[in-house]
Amino acid sequence: EIVLTQSPGTLSLSPGERATLSCTTSQSVSSSYLAWYQQKPGQAPRLLIYGASRRPTGIPDRFSVSGSGTDFTLTISRLEPEDFAVYYCQQYGGSPPVTFGGGTRVEIK
Amino acid sequence: QVQLEQSGAEVKKPGASVKVSCKASGYRFLSYAVDWVRQAPGQGLEWMGRINPDNGKTKYSQKFQGRVTFGSDTSATTTHLELRSLTSEDTAVYYCARFRLDVIGGSCFDYWGQGTLITVSS
Repeated sequence: EIVLTQSPGTLSLSPGERATLSCTTSQSVSSSYLAWYQQKPGQAPRLLIYGASRRPTGIPDRFSVSGSGTDFTLTISRLEPEDFAVYYCQQYGGSPPVTFGGGTRVEIK
Repeated sequence: QVQLEQSGAEVKKPGASVKVSCKASGYRFLSYAVDWVRQAPGQGLEWMGRINPDNGKTKYSQKFQGRVTFGSDTSATTTHLELRSLTSEDTAVYYCARFRLDVIGGSCFDYWGQGTLITVSS
């Protein structure tokens, strides 16, 4: 099983600051098959970025990803009030074919 | 627009079974697999498995193998999950999600149902 480890567990930042979230995989994963989701309390996860750098319609460009192999990073360039949430990375292609990271909570400092 | 509409919350006793449905609309139902993901209270996301409505093929997480069954009704554009032998550890929100796999590379869950809370309690 490909294990995804997200760090930090919690990130305390102020609006306007830059957020850097890490996702480390136990085996090499193609960036094409790594996705990121945002989840707010009481809501379903929402797709943020997939396929290395593709953002669905409506996702602002302050969200970006980088990395390859086993180390991936989600960056939020300038935090907006609506960005405070939990973020999950997810991979496809191992066995089992889908695994999620444990999540990073971005909270208001 | 694409929507996945799930059935309502349920309370079940230990040992019982539960069935959760997920009605798809706004896209060609047979063109996308549907996965099931659950989230225990205060916990992360856990993948349960996938059904391809086009051919009925399923793939289950080993953790749930033998205790879960996925089905689909193409005429109703609905998939469902049945989970048996429930315990308190099955208390969670269960989500269906559309699985997207692009030919040129890239995969994700691009649309999610609103979630169904299943509470297992005596």
